[in-house]
Amino acid sequence: SQQGEEDPQALSIQEGENATMNCSYKTSINNLQWYRQNSGRGLVHLILIRSNEREKHSGRLRVTLDTSKKSSSLLITASRAADTASYFCATDRGGSYIPTFGRGTSLIVHP
Amino acid sequence: EPEVTQTPSHQVTQMGQEVILRCVPISNHLYFYWYRQILGQKVEFLVSFYNNEISEKSEIFDDQFSVERPDGSNFTLKIRSTKLEDSAMYFCASRGVRGYTGELFFGEGSRLTVL
Repeated sequence: SQQGEEDPQALSIQEGENATMNCSYKTSINNLQWYRQNSGRGLVHLILIRSNEREKHSGRLRVTLDTSKKSSSLLITASRAADTASYFCATDRGGSYIPTFGRGTSLIVHP
Repeated sequence: EPEVTQTPSHQVTQMGQEVILRCVPISNHLYFYWYRQILGQKVEFLVSFYNNEISEKSEIFDDQFSVERPDGSNFTLKIRSTKLEDSAMYFCASRGVRGYTGELFFGEGSRLTVL
């Protein structure tokens, strides 16, 4: 399967701590994206990293991509209670640009 | 800010009935998608649509499903004869500002409950 798989499935931290989520995939990709989903809502795009990039930042988000290990990580620094949500990685394979999602990591940030 | 809108937000139907879910993608976008998410599970790709035709579809998107862009603004998903296992949240998404490799913009979803 091409889809990314997030790890851990669930993460519970205190406000102010950093949260790290990982994504692994199986075949070569064009790019990898991270999305956020609040409970019962639609997915919101966070960041896109292309296969020739290794690291990208956006505000408190830092994404890394290691194509040799076929893995990516999403780091949220100085987490806030409002960061509580599910986070999904989405990958697309070489001949298709259809993002395929994993099962997500459920993040709970306690105030 | 432009957004993808979906209607209805929730639909309850009887097994075997036809359902149409509607989406209005962002106006200058060119690529349209339907995904679904069964409660608590992964987000699954159903179909992509470009230039008034299906460009790719998954195994889930069988003959019971169809999509249409009837008037240049709406993008609809029809399920001809619903089954219990069709109960899920259905998300419409569009893409286009950065071409077919850019990020997806999702609607808030339509929750379908099949009884």
